[in-house]
Amino acid sequence: DIQMTQSPSSVSASVGDRVTITCRASQGISGWLAWFQQKPGKAPKLLIYAASSLQSGVPSRFSGSGSGTDFTLTISSLQPEDFATYYCQQAHNFPLTFGGGTRVEIK
Amino acid sequence: QVQLQESGPGLVKPSETLSLSCTVSGGSISSYCWSWIRQPPGKGLEWIGYIYYNGNTNYNPSLKSRVTISVDTSKNQFSLKLSSVTAADTATYYCARDREAAAFTGWFDPWGQGTLVTVSS
Repeated sequence: DIQMTQSPSSVSASVGDRVTITCRASQGISGWLAWFQQKPGKAPKLLIYAASSLQSGVPSRFSGSGSGTDFTLTISSLQPEDFATYYCQQAHNFPLTFGGGTRVEIK
Repeated sequence: QVQLQESGPGLVKPSETLSLSCTVSGGSISSYCWSWIRQPPGKGLEWIGYIYYNGNTNYNPSLKSRVTISVDTSKNQFSLKLSSVTAADTATYYCARDREAAAFTGWFDPWGQGTLVTVSS
């Protein structure tokens, strides 16, 4: 199975801050990576697919980059509604696997 | 807009079979792949498997011996059965659609709201 490692596991930030979350795959996955946002008690929400494509309806302050084994999710200016847990997920090989999550908390 | 809704028992006894359904509304189940994903309380996400509308399936090897996913196009519904459950199977179970029609990409959108299933005697 491909292991997905996210860092940091949590980050404290203020409204307006730029936040960067990284995801590393245990082997190359080309651009087969998605990012999800999950709020407590809610289902995950697709933000980014194919490493850098913004899902329809997602604010442009979210962006994704990377290829191969190293990927980044950036929130350019953190908003109050962005405090949540973020997961990466690879779709290059079966079984599909997720990272352990990064919790974005209010500073 | 397509919406998914999970349904089924919230409590299952150890060694029994967990059975859940996902009803699709606002769109047809045809032409898409449909997945089950679970999340133990306070933990991360695990992909269980998918079914294509034509019945083709792909399961996570870690669960393959216990999992069956089926589809009923007449009811616009697909289902999950997980046999011989233990406490480790306690989780919120989500159903989700693949983002793209006619092919599996692994980009899950939309999702159902999730249903918590507890395995306990």
